[in-house]
Amino acid sequence: DGGITQSPKYLFRKEGQNVTLSCEQNLNHDAMYWYRQDPGQGLRLIYYSQIVNDFQKGDIAEGYSVSREKKESFPLTVTSAQKNPTAFYLCASSMSSGSKNIQYFGAGTRLSVL
Amino acid sequence: KNQVEQSPQSLIILEGKNCTLQCNYTVSPFSNLRWYKQDTGRGPVSLTIMTFSENTKSNGRYTATLDADTKQSSLHITASQLSDSASYICVVSGWSTSGTYKYIFGTGTRLKVLA
Repeated sequence: DGGITQSPKYLFRKEGQNVTLSCEQNLNHDAMYWYRQDPGQGLRLIYYSQIVNDFQKGDIAEGYSVSREKKESFPLTVTSAQKNPTAFYLCASSMSSGSKNIQYFGAGTRLSVL
Repeated sequence: KNQVEQSPQSLIILEGKNCTLQCNYTVSPFSNLRWYKQDTGRGPVSLTIMTFSENTKSNGRYTATLDADTKQSSLHITASQLSDSASYICVVSGWSTSGTYKYIFGTGTRLKVLA
């Protein structure tokens, strides 16, 4: 999966619980992204980060939070405020944002609500 | 609203046959168009990437075409193999008026190749 590791592969969340999805890359990429994939819909951007210690909200950031303390790591926390968290979550990275930079995706984390 | 629409939604073909997937977009301004292959339960993998000035790009048995005037792209798969069974996603990207670089993903075409 292009040097991007997501864990766990499957995750279950109880009502009112926060859960954190891990994303690590060893590609020395500056930009990292979190997407949500639901059946019948295109990938939707949750958060993205162009550089360490900086991140921006995407189109559906409500109920999610991120941090970018290290270049290699971009964890996503699904908070209890996210009322419909069941989805397939994909992390991606690219050399930088824009132009012809290719996004490399991890294998994904499937989150379900108990 | 920026849109990327793909057709057909799903397609079943016999091994060895060719097929063509379509992508129409209204994203503006437009910078690049990419095709990704996504196996079930996996992350997407890049197949091709084209700028607005490129008409065609090949990657093995995959050939993408782009008509920036009509805002249409197609992905042609030649001599299909069982391993081609996957979802194919069209992604259009460009700089927004707010200065951010945005990727707009289509919903994908699910291809099934039968022996």
